[in-house]
Amino acid sequence: EDQVTQSPEALRLQEGESSSLNCSYTVSGLRGLFWYRQDPGKGPEFLFTLYSAGEEKEKERLKATLTKKESFLHITAPKPEDSATYLCAGLSGGGADGLTFGKGTHLIIQP
Amino acid sequence: KAGVTQTPRYLIKTRGQQVTLSCSPISGHRSVSWYQQTPGQGLQFLFEYFSETQRNKGNFPGRFSGRQFSNSRSEMNVSTLELGDSALYLCASSPDTPEETQYFGPGTRLLVL
Repeated sequence: EDQVTQSPEALRLQEGESSSLNCSYTVSGLRGLFWYRQDPGKGPEFLFTLYSAGEEKEKERLKATLTKKESFLHITAPKPEDSATYLCAGLSGGGADGLTFGKGTHLIIQP
Repeated sequence: KAGVTQTPRYLIKTRGQQVTLSCSPISGHRSVSWYQQTPGQGLQFLFEYFSETQRNKGNFPGRFSGRQFSNSRSEMNVSTLELGDSALYLCASSPDTPEETQYFGPGTRLLVL
């Protein structure tokens, strides 16, 4: 059974304090690893897709990386508006089960 | 380009009733997926439709069903509602295949009393 585990569950940082969120996955024949951001009461907002180990993508203060077992979302010098829940999801080789999501990391950036 | 839209945004039903939720994908997107989000289980895949056919299905009981129309709009139906069906139901669209980015709508918040 495909599984995605995110850690930590919650993280509180000071503005400007860089950190990383972890996403460990056991997804057979991974066809894609997706990162989303979700604000309260809203649908997930797409951030990145990674397709192969070693791949990296950046957007503003965020950088996502992928290995054969994990993905990391690095947040550099975060601002209060980066506060949200960050979700990681994997798509398996069969594709039969849609995206398998982790439970998310609830990130709070204090001014 | 307009995003994914879902109606209604909020819904209150009682146990035993049925409910129909609607999703309009991004223009040109032909794949529509549905997910259930609850605090305990997180986001779970319900099913995916493409060209009016169910292409993939998650592990939910038969009370959960869906369909897709020729214009790619999709509906999902839940019959004989249970308290545990209270959740945020999210619809996502992608151009053709699940590997392509799935863009989510705002969701329909369903409360079953």
